[in-house]
Amino acid sequence: EPEVTQTPSHQVTQMGQEVILRCVPISNHLYFYWYRQILGQKVEFLVSFYNNEISEKSEIFDDQFSVERPDGSNFTLKIRSTKLEDSAMYFCASSPTGFEKLFFGSGTQLSVL
Amino acid sequence: GDSVTQMEGPVTLSEEAFLTINCTYTATGYPSLFWYVQYPGEGLQLLLKATKADDKGSNKGFEATYRKETTSFHLEKGSVQVSDSAVYFCALKNAGGTSYGKLTFGQGTILTVHP
Repeated sequence: EPEVTQTPSHQVTQMGQEVILRCVPISNHLYFYWYRQILGQKVEFLVSFYNNEISEKSEIFDDQFSVERPDGSNFTLKIRSTKLEDSAMYFCASSPTGFEKLFFGSGTQLSVL
Repeated sequence: GDSVTQMEGPVTLSEEAFLTINCTYTATGYPSLFWYVQYPGEGLQLLLKATKADDKGSNKGFEATYRKETTSFHLEKGSVQVSDSAVYFCALKNAGGTSYGKLTFGQGTILTVHP
């Protein structure tokens, strides 16, 4: 079965550094998402992306965050200047139409020191 | 706003025991309800869903019934196996607006099943 691939599985960075999390969604899917889960807390929606633009974003997704689909296969989440509180598991997901189930990657654990 | 509350974990059971994981929600309108499961080292996978009141979702021996009167969607399985050990997430998707695919999740419940 096709799957969503996320790299790396674990990333460690220093506070204030820029970090890019990478995802390869399923090839014929049109909707892409980022979610995150801070340890011990709920999985939270960050952003949805369709037709090369953000379709919805949460309050968490401030100016420090950006998303991009640079080459038609990758879908990236950039955090410009990481904070300690950005430490979390980040999940990428994709969906064929947005109305069907989401397919999630296995996540990138981001640790900000 | 929308929210989902799951029972606190972790839950530890012996093989063949009965499982219930409670989930209640708060939402405007008529949301769709989901259970996702995350096995170790893998991404979240859809386990079952229900899109309207009194619908029962079922898959792999798991069931959950959409109860509008109690705003609940409890997950049940009559006889768990070791292979069911995973993290279970209750979630909702509100039908309104442009929230295509935007899910509101609970915090997840860790289930461990011992032989």
